[in-house]
Amino acid sequence: KNEVEQSPQNLTAQEGEFITINCSYSVGISALHWLQQHPGGGIVSLFMLSSGKKKHGRLIATINIQEKHSSLHITASHPRDSAVYICAVRRGAGSYQLTFGKGTKLSVIP
Amino acid sequence: DVKVTQSSRYLVKRTGEKVFLECVQDMDHENMFWYRQDPGLGLRLIYFSYDVKMKEKGDIPEGYSVSREKKERFSLILESASTNQTSMYLCASSLQGAGYSTFGAGTRLSVL
Repeated sequence: KNEVEQSPQNLTAQEGEFITINCSYSVGISALHWLQQHPGGGIVSLFMLSSGKKKHGRLIATINIQEKHSSLHITASHPRDSAVYICAVRRGAGSYQLTFGKGTKLSVIP
Repeated sequence: DVKVTQSSRYLVKRTGEKVFLECVQDMDHENMFWYRQDPGLGLRLIYFSYDVKMKEKGDIPEGYSVSREKKERFSLILESASTNQTSMYLCASSLQGAGYSTFGAGTRLSVL
């Protein structure tokens, strides 16, 4: 079993829909990251969370440490949100390494 | 604008060739990482470095080596390229103890 599981693997939505991507992990972590990867390869860090909730524009990320679960929400989705969204966890505070989920491919249709 | 620059976006090499992938960051970051990304497998760590001349193996170091002679530059070396090393290679850097990593645009390597 992978240490970081994302669902769904693929998601197609109509423009304007509210989108949720889920991430579950099975190890103790010091932080969880949400990343965005557009076609062509470049990866952008969206959020880093260790507790609670963060918001940036139309993106909201939440984490429940007890349940080892995080969600990424996109409100009023737009075709430019089409990308692969990747969840990654950092283990102990002294760890340099990230362990990645396999990603969720989001397509937003006009 | 701070960034991580990978020397090539696309690279085609022959089996058995020695391949160098270069990564340069201008943020004075201590940590640098090399990942490969394959369909259905996600990102996997090959090697990372937390200081000049220091390196640590990641999850899949076999067939690769690295070099970090200067803080800003981290090189990934394929000593004898094989077809199963055809992949997207991504470099990243981060501050010591920091959370966010900054990623390069990636190098898509094809080994024929």
